[in-house]
Amino acid sequence: GAVVSQHPSWVICKSGTSVKIECRSLDFQATTMFWYRQFPKQSLMLMATSNEGSKATYEQGVEKDKFLINHASLTLSTLTVTSAHPEDSSFYICSVPLYEQYFGPGTRLTVT
Amino acid sequence: AQKVTQAQTEISVVEKEDVTLDCVYETRDTTYYLFWYKQPPSGELVFLIRRNSFDEQNEISGRYSWNFQKSTSSFNFTITASQVVDSAVYFCALVYNQGGKLIFGQGTELSVKP
Repeated sequence: GAVVSQHPSWVICKSGTSVKIECRSLDFQATTMFWYRQFPKQSLMLMATSNEGSKATYEQGVEKDKFLINHASLTLSTLTVTSAHPEDSSFYICSVPLYEQYFGPGTRLTVT
Repeated sequence: AQKVTQAQTEISVVEKEDVTLDCVYETRDTTYYLFWYKQPPSGELVFLIRRNSFDEQNEISGRYSWNFQKSTSSFNFTITASQVVDSAVYFCALVYNQGGKLIFGQGTELSVKP
């Protein structure tokens, strides 16, 4: 069964609105979770490291004020895309870095 | 710096052909882990294999096999007798410590035609 879940699986929002994506570790407690972004026909790029109980660590070039990450508990991390724009349309995937690096099923965001 | 290169962007084969997907990596670490994932059109990443840097044994799992060669920094993936269901994007990835963030290659899109 699934080890990591994401919600929603897809979302369409209007430009300027905010969208929250949840990532849940179902079988493990996770002090760390990773958020990746994947544009069409491209590879996965790490956006940020979500740390339970402390601030997220962002990769170079990722706007921390735009992509808000909250690691509320050992099983839940959320990514909020604030003031979304069409260029934020992408596939967002979270992972729990255990043996297999368990990935969530992904969230497809479309900003119109 | 760590880097993973998958030089083949797209490969197209006919069903039942064997196909090899290449993966070359760069790292200065002596301990690291290599992965292969399959990404079907649904987008979900499917774990295929994890190999640590100290285990150079080749592995076979059904129609899948992996050839790990530290001397050439390669971790190639072969599908024997390919099937249409094998059509997907395949990613090779590297991490230098267990629990760390993955560095992905560019991916190889495999198309298996009937």
